[in-house]
This record gives sequence, C-alpha cells and structure tokens, in this order.
Amino acid sequence: NAGVTQTPKFRILKIGQSMTLQCAQDMNHNYMYWYRQDPGMGLKLIYYSVGAGITDKGEVPNGYNVSRSTTEDFPLRLELAAPSQTSVYFCASSYSRDRTSEQYFGPGTRLTVT
Amino acid sequence: QQQVKQSPQSLIVQKGGISIINCAYENTAFDYFPWYQQFPGKGPALLIAIRPDVSEKKEGRFTISFNKSAKQFSLHIMDSQPGDSATYFCAAKISSNTGKLIFGQGTTLQVKP
Repeated sequence: NAGVTQTPKFRILKIGQSMTLQCAQDMNHNYMYWYRQDPGMGLKLIYYSVGAGITDKGEVPNGYNVSRSTTEDFPLRLELAAPSQTSVYFCASSYSRDRTSEQYFGPGTRLTVT
Repeated sequence: QQQVKQSPQSLIVQKGGISIINCAYENTAFDYFPWYQQFPGKGPALLIAIRPDVSEKKEGRFTISFNKSAKQFSLHIMDSQPGDSATYFCAAKISSNTGKLIFGQGTTLQVKP
C-alpha cells in the first residue's frame, strides 16, 4: 500500500491564484482530514469527510473548499490565494471514528503565496 | 474549551537524558490522547496513545503519564537518543462520530550526542 499520498510536494502561488491540493489513500478508509501546520501553532483542521459525498468544516475552513466524490480521493481547493494561506498542508485518513482508530498522514504539501 | 496546550515549545536534552513534554486540556469530552512524532519534511506519525481511564502507558522508552483530575498528560522519553530529535505533538480526540483530533502546539526536541 502507498498509504496517503499528496501532490504536489511544493508550490508557489501568486496572490489571487487558485489551485487544488490532491490527496489520495489506498487503505479503503472512510474518514479523511485536511490540516494546515504553521510554526508554533500545531495542526489545525480545515475540513474533514466521514465518507464519499459527506464533508464538513473544521476549525479554519475560510478560503478553502473540498469535495469527496470517491472513497480514495479528497482534494482541497484554494480559491483566491492569500499570503495567510502560506503553510504546510497535510492530508490524513483513518479507518473508523473509533477513538483508537489511528490517523495516517501524508507527506505534506508546502505552499507559499506571494 | 477545545484547546490542548503544550509546553515547552522547544527542548534540548543530552543523549541518555529524559525528555519531558507536557500537555493540558479543558474539555472533559476528550476520550483519547495520542502523541504524534514528526521528522523534518515528513507527516506526523502516531507514537503512543492513552485512554483517560489509565494513569500510565509505556511502550519501550516512551511513557505517557495521565492525570485525569488535573486534566494534564505528559510524554516521557527515557534514555533520549539523537534519533529521537523530532517535533512531538500531543492531541486529544473528541468523543463524537467524526474522529476529529485537536492538536497541541508542538515541541521541537533536539537530543545532543
């Protein structure tokens, strides 16, 4: 299994541009999550999904959108990029909602908005 | 109430020493407390986790101590090694149907040879 994969690894955007961060998992996990990581701030949940066709907002959803048309894929869309969206983005997945169900993280996408 | 507060922000320990990272929470609805380890350029990975009805959990050199009444928990790394140099995040899982995690701010650990 490849686990959780993310593309691209790095990206530089100009203010106002848009892009989609790709996330895929091959573990047949129902639950998927998008986090952003900023220095000294930990990981903040942007959006999550409990299954295909079901998504909901996390702590910091403004400026982002998601979709979940398949179990495997959970893309994150940035519209009108702003410097505040400069961050490292991590996608994660887990098998179930059970408290002991581990979240598996992808390698991250480092995004710079200038 | 949804916050998890982690300290210190950074930690330098000599090889063979004990590394201690502390976390505190407010929300009594949290029902699982994992620790994640992250190496530079990688995603976080689960290191060890504990339920709130257990006061201590040990896996090799890593131990979680949990104080439910004080709403605090800590990670102890015994015999710290240079290979333990990483960023550590405590987290708390909310008792709900979403599996969401709330993360602490992170601690960057450097173990000097």
